[in-house]
Amino acid sequence: KAGVTQTPRYLIKTRGQQVTLSCSPISGHRSVSWYQQTPGQGLQFLFEYFSETQRNKGNFPGRFSGRQFSNSRSEMNVSTLELGDSALYLCASSRYGLAGAFFTDTQYFGPGTRLTVL
Amino acid sequence: QKEVEQNSGPLSVPEGAIASLNCTYSDRGSQSFFWYRQYSGKSPELIMSIYSNGDKEDGRFTAQLNKASQYVSLLIRDSQPSDSATYLCAVKGGNQFYFGTGTSLTVIP
Repeated sequence: KAGVTQTPRYLIKTRGQQVTLSCSPISGHRSVSWYQQTPGQGLQFLFEYFSETQRNKGNFPGRFSGRQFSNSRSEMNVSTLELGDSALYLCASSRYGLAGAFFTDTQYFGPGTRLTVL
Repeated sequence: QKEVEQNSGPLSVPEGAIASLNCTYSDRGSQSFFWYRQYSGKSPELIMSIYSNGDKEDGRFTAQLNKASQYVSLLIRDSQPSDSATYLCAVKGGNQFYFGTGTSLTVIP
């Protein structure tokens, strides 16, 4: 089974621009979460989508937004980029449901998108 | 604010030794616990999950959970240089995952 894929893998933008990142979850996974990872802050939760609905949201400004499509693919958008937005953006997918007789909510990460804001 | 605390390290162990990584969490209602390994420049990869008190073994890895003490640990037996990485503890509270900042492990040949 193919893993989580993210595109693009690397991105360089300038301040004030906007960017859209894409994530395709593992087949059958309906939950997609987005994280920002920086050396100083570690993994910070952005938001989670489940069946096209935002289920949870972290403490990030409204410049960060996302959506999920009917095929569970998700996009994340950052508008008006700032230097501090430079980070590794990770997408994680989860079945979030029964796997056989057991409930599973394990998240599997994609390779990430490295965003550099100049 | 739900918190997950890990000793940032670095933790150094000789090859073949047991590495012990610890994690504490603040939300007593947490139900799901995970360990991830992250190599430099790569994304986190799942090592194992644990949901019940006690030990769970998978190959050279053993996760230990004590909900009363709000403590989860990971033991790596027969440590190998390829185990050198940052280990992230993740705790799920409600519908959200909370991650520790990770413990850097170096296995010395």
